[in-house]
Amino acid sequence: RKEVEQDPGPFNVPEGATVAFNCTYSNSASQSFFWYRQDCRKEPKLLMSVYSSGNEDGRFTAQLNRASQYISLLIRDSKLSDSATYLCVVNPRAAGNKLTFGGGTRVLVKP
Amino acid sequence: GAVVSQHPSRVICKSGTSVKIECRSLDFQATTMFWYRQFPKQSLMLMATSNEGSKATYEQGVEKDKFLINHASLTLSTLTVTSAHPEDSSFYICSARDLSGRTYNEQFFGPGTRLTVL
Repeated sequence: RKEVEQDPGPFNVPEGATVAFNCTYSNSASQSFFWYRQDCRKEPKLLMSVYSSGNEDGRFTAQLNRASQYISLLIRDSKLSDSATYLCVVNPRAAGNKLTFGGGTRVLVKP
Repeated sequence: GAVVSQHPSRVICKSGTSVKIECRSLDFQATTMFWYRQFPKQSLMLMATSNEGSKATYEQGVEKDKFLINHASLTLSTLTVTSAHPEDSSFYICSARDLSGRTYNEQFFGPGTRLTVL
């Protein structure tokens, strides 16, 4: 079983719609969680950290469910520029500062 | 946010040659940098953790004699792919943590180096 698993998609989303997807992690001791965004042939960029109480940044909402070991990302009012691969990233407690990446969920926003 | 650069951005080389990739933190000091590899349509896989002034820590399955890492200063880490072969063709990305202030827990990624071995 992979340490961090994501639905690869693609999620085809009409412009203006809402899309949500999850990521599951296997290490129950994982400490920190992030969503990164990666555009084609580019480096990943931090979208947002995920806090235990859930957090929102503009049109993006992230939630953490420790009991079921998953995190989620919701994008409201999707823009064409939201088209990208969204990487779920986990920092397992025992791994120090190392990050474990999920395979990514591809989102395509269409007019 | 903090800036990490990589050089070169793209390299094409013949099989059997060695390629050096540089990773620099431009506006902060990084005692630790990370090297990742990403094959097409796959996620980033951590290859090694580069520690300033000491030996790198390699992930399981990564050959330390093939992927030489040197972290000689607080702003520069280099990855040398020795005797490169076509299967080493990949997107190599480095990252660094900025230990100061607000961005303490964030890793900043370089723009990546696309290596093609013929």
